[in-house]
Amino acid sequence: DTEVTQTPKHLVMGMTNKKSLKCEQHMGHRAMYWYKQKAKKPPELMFVYSYEKLSINESVPSRFSPECPNSSLLNLHLHALQPEDSALYLCASSQDKQAGSEAFFGQGTRLTVV
Amino acid sequence: DAKTTQPNSMESNEEEPVHLPCNHSTISGTDYIHWYRQLPSQGPEYVIHGLTSNVNNRMASLAIAEDRKSSTLILHRATLRDAAVYYCILRDIVRRRDDKIIFGKGTRLHILP
Repeated sequence: DTEVTQTPKHLVMGMTNKKSLKCEQHMGHRAMYWYKQKAKKPPELMFVYSYEKLSINESVPSRFSPECPNSSLLNLHLHALQPEDSALYLCASSQDKQAGSEAFFGQGTRLTVV
Repeated sequence: DAKTTQPNSMESNEEEPVHLPCNHSTISGTDYIHWYRQLPSQGPEYVIHGLTSNVNNRMASLAIAEDRKSSTLILHRATLRDAAVYYCILRDIVRRRDDKIIFGKGTRLHILP
């Protein structure tokens, strides 16, 4: 199984809502990543988890709250988002952050904030 | 972080080889060169990576200049399904604590039937 599964595929939420994005992998990877991608732009790194601990936060606003409950799961909790947060949110994983290893990406969650 | 420079877009005819260039003049000795591509409405997918020697796999070949300041991704026979944005990325094997996979602007490859 070389898949990274993200749910839901689409999400529409109001600015006062609380929602969560979920990412799952069963490849035994110990590094997991969240990215945000706006239309026609490259993915922007948000967070990196290594061995279930947050190792990198790219100055992301606190309305985005990541969580790694175990080595297979990565969540992104959303609260009080703004319309400009509408984007494709991508999850990725790789083995032990070794630079020689490939990263696997999910298909993303397309988020619309209304 | 070492930066990469790629052309914004390229065009190629179907069934012909495609050479996608990437400049990384500030590459360090511990940087791997990775290539990913992103097809429309999909997440990025790994294509190939290398350190110093040229590499081949079922998807593509990677030619690395002797001074490592540039590299070229080679698609040997492009199909319409290869139309995507191709990203050249450097990953440092030493700075394990800060393993950021940082995407540049990439090259949008158009394949003409």
